[in-house]
Amino acid sequence: GQNIDQPTEMTATEGAIVQINCTYQTSGFNGLFWYQQHAGEAPTFLSYNVLDGLEEKGRFSSFLSRSKGYSYLLLKELQMKDSASYLCAVMDSNYQLIWGAGTKLIIKP
Amino acid sequence: DVKVTQSSRYLVKRTGEKVFLECVQDMDHENMFWYRQDPGLGLRLIYFSYDVKMKEKGDIPEGYSVSREKKERFSLILESASTNQTSMYLCASSKGTSGRLTDTQYFGPGTRLTVL
Repeated sequence: GQNIDQPTEMTATEGAIVQINCTYQTSGFNGLFWYQQHAGEAPTFLSYNVLDGLEEKGRFSSFLSRSKGYSYLLLKELQMKDSASYLCAVMDSNYQLIWGAGTKLIIKP
Repeated sequence: DVKVTQSSRYLVKRTGEKVFLECVQDMDHENMFWYRQDPGLGLRLIYFSYDVKMKEKGDIPEGYSVSREKKERFSLILESASTNQTSMYLCASSKGTSGRLTDTQYFGPGTRLTVL
């Protein structure tokens, strides 16, 4: 079956760096997405990786290794507003998005 | 800026009622999607549409139907609501030029449906 694994919850300190991991087993691969979802709100797009390597976008970076079925989202200089759930999703060979359950990130002062 | 709107943020219905959830996007996107989101589970695709009057089943279509009469509007219908359909329902759209499904999906604010 198809599977996306990410930690259920993580805690980090304001100003620090946190890495949220995502591993996947899917039938085919057409890219990996990261979304941010604040409580009670819609998911919003953060990043898309289809080639191996690191994509940097301001305080957020996303890394992909297709051979390892692995990605991470790196958040630097954490702010309280970064408290949210982070969703990893992989597009399979049928162009359907397979979603992880999300990682709830708690930022403490 | 892409805007996806959903008709209600919160909805309470009785078992057996017919329920309509409406979604409208204003960016001329080809593709539209309906998901449900439950605690501890990833988003699960119910139905999607890549063109007007076209629809495709997702992973969990049972108990649901959809309608896409106009490009900007995608409706989710629960023919006879049941308590196990209590959930957060999220609509999304993506550009999908020439049938491309790899485009980023943009989400509406969600409808939290409770079936009593």
